[in-house]
Amino acid sequence: DAGVTQSPTHLIKTRGQQVTLRCSPKSGHDTVSWYQQALGQGPQFIFQYYEEEERQRGNFPDRFSGHQFPNYSSELNVNALLLGDSALYLCASSGRSARRAFFGQGTRLTVV
Amino acid sequence: DAKTTQPPSMDCAEGRAANLPCNHSTISGNEYVYWYRQIHSQGPQYIIHGLKNNETNEMASLIITEDRKSSTLILPHATLRDTAVYYCIVRVADTDKLIFGTGTRLQVFP
Repeated sequence: DAGVTQSPTHLIKTRGQQVTLRCSPKSGHDTVSWYQQALGQGPQFIFQYYEEEERQRGNFPDRFSGHQFPNYSSELNVNALLLGDSALYLCASSGRSARRAFFGQGTRLTVV
Repeated sequence: DAKTTQPPSMDCAEGRAANLPCNHSTISGNEYVYWYRQIHSQGPQYIIHGLKNNETNEMASLIITEDRKSSTLILPHATLRDTAVYYCIVRVADTDKLIFGTGTRLQVFP
C-alpha cells in the first residue's frame, strides 16, 4: 500500500506564476484535504474534496483552487504566486470507515 | 483559529515517560481530540485520538479529563526517535477537517 503520495517534492516558481501540485490518496480513501504549512507554523487547512466537490474551505483567497478526479486523486492550483505562498503543502486523505487522516510528505514550494 | 493550546517546548530523558499536555476548553461535545507528530519537514504522523474515554495503542496513551477541557499524551518510554513537534488537534465534528495549533517541540535527550 503506497500511502499518500505527492508530487513534485520540491518546486521553485517566480512571483506571478501559476503552480499545480498533485496528490494521490491512500488506497480506499475518498476524501482529500490540502494544508499549507509556513516555516515554524502548524499546518493550515486550505480546503477539502469529496466526491469531486469542494466540501469545505479554510480562510484562503480564490487564487487557491482545487480539483478532485474520479479516481479520488486531487490537484491544488495556486495562481498569481506571491512570495508569501512559499511553504510546505501537505495533502491528507481519509475514508469513511477510518476517521483518521494520513498525510503525504508534502511539496516544498519556494516562490522567488 | 486553533482550538488548542500547548506548551511550545518540552524536554524528556530517553527511557522516561513523556507527558505532553493540551488545553481545549472550547471543545464541543461531538469533537474528537487527535494527536499527530511531525518529524522535521516530513508529513504529520497520526498517533492517537479519542472522544471522552482514555485510549491506548502501541505508540501512546491519551488521557482526557472528565470535563474534556484538557488532555495529556503519554509516550511511556521515550526514545531519541520520538524527538518531534507534537500537535494536539480538534477534529471538527462530522468532517475530516483538522485545526492545528503551533504544537509542542519535544526534545528527547540521552
